[in-house]
Amino acid sequence: DTGVSQNPRHKITKRGQNVTFRCDPISEHNRLYWYRQTLGQGPEFLTYFQNEAQLEKSRLLSDRFSAERPKGSFSTLEIQRTEQGDSAMYLCASSLNLGKGGSNQPQHFGDGTRLSIL
Amino acid sequence: AQTVTQSQPEMSVQEAETVTLSCTYDTSESDYYLFWYKQPPSRQMILVIRQEAYKQQNATENRFSVNFQKAAKSFSLKISDSQLGDAAMYFCAYRSYSLLQGGSEKLVFGKGTKLTVNP
Repeated sequence: DTGVSQNPRHKITKRGQNVTFRCDPISEHNRLYWYRQTLGQGPEFLTYFQNEAQLEKSRLLSDRFSAERPKGSFSTLEIQRTEQGDSAMYLCASSLNLGKGGSNQPQHFGDGTRLSIL
Repeated sequence: AQTVTQSQPEMSVQEAETVTLSCTYDTSESDYYLFWYKQPPSRQMILVIRQEAYKQQNATENRFSVNFQKAAKSFSLKISDSQLGDAAMYFCAYRSYSLLQGGSEKLVFGKGTKLTVNP
């Protein structure tokens, strides 16, 4: 168990540029979540996947945001035409769903990717 | 929609003493999970303790315990024998119990409480 891995750790970019983050979950985990955390706030849910299927998206996930998990393993989160308000820590988490419906297995978080928009 | 409120932005405790962090939540669901997560500075979020709402017994993990009052929708965290390594942001979080009942897998977090441990 190497934990949830996120890359890069830090990303600095100019407003209007596109950025992509990667998340590698714990290997046997079939659920993967993305959260955004701004300074002084708790994380806010963006979206989650079960295997390769994206099952829920928050209203925070505007048209400029897209997430994929093509093979049910790693996931990418892309932000197009970045804006100042996108500056935040982007957290990825994973968990193991043992059956139908919900799961009582906790979510394990990565270190996050800190995005700074100049 | 569910909400989680942490009314103490900051707390401090002397090493070896006990501190209690408060959390209240609002939900119309009868079954759910509650969590406390710890986030040290520039480090990843770590699960501290978990409580299933259908369990009346309060969860305990070593020096960490909760006081779960379902009717009052309160979920406080008690840290006993505080250590310097306990210094961190602590987040209270809520999650629905079952997708089959229309719940969501997402965690709903409070704004956090910054805990300082004084030597």
